[in-house]
Amino acid sequence: GQQLNQSPQSMFIQEGEDVSMNCTSSSIFNTWLWYKQDPGEGPVLLIALYKAGELTSNGRLTAQFGITRKDSFLNISASIPSDVGIYFCAGPRSAGGTSYGKLTFGQGTILTVHP
Amino acid sequence: DAGVIQSPRHEVTEMGQEVTLRCKPISGHNSLFWYRQTMMRGLELLIYFNNNVPIDDSGMPEDRFSAKMPNASFSTLKIQPSEPRDSAVYFCASSLRVLGETQYFGPGTRLLVL
Repeated sequence: GQQLNQSPQSMFIQEGEDVSMNCTSSSIFNTWLWYKQDPGEGPVLLIALYKAGELTSNGRLTAQFGITRKDSFLNISASIPSDVGIYFCAGPRSAGGTSYGKLTFGQGTILTVHP
Repeated sequence: DAGVIQSPRHEVTEMGQEVTLRCKPISGHNSLFWYRQTMMRGLELLIYFNNNVPIDDSGMPEDRFSAKMPNASFSTLKIQPSEPRDSAVYFCASSLRVLGETQYFGPGTRLLVL
């Protein structure tokens, strides 16, 4: 089945450092979504990617849709303490028919930022 | 705009008791999803509805779990009887399929079964 593998599983960085994380799959995805979950809250959508090769920014966040459509990358520049949380990649499941918006989620990357 | 609303935010109950979690999706959204999140298993999709109709409940752990969506603005997830291993955070999410697969999550219900 479709699975998303995120790496790294966790990161401990100093404030001000840049962060890179990625998500890979053995299956092709036509959409890639990146969510962030703050402690004690639900996941919030950060960036959506709809086209292979697409590079999209949202403030200090930049995400790319891999050319092969089997991977995606999320970068955070100049990290700050409020970047702490769990970052999930997700993509729509497709089983031959309509997905009704059903998503496959990666296992998450836990980010800790030391002031 | 109000996002997805879930209640209660926290629930502590004793084993064997019935638990009902509630969700109000974003107005106009036509798909609704129930997830469970634990440290061990991450985010698991339990069930989802499209236009109030259950489409796939293969993620529901067992018969103790049931979900309903009587109308477009309300859904419930019920656990009866509850067990300690049901302790988790339960999220509801909604989406408007014509805009793609982006799901919007509620704040979650933190359930502790003693």
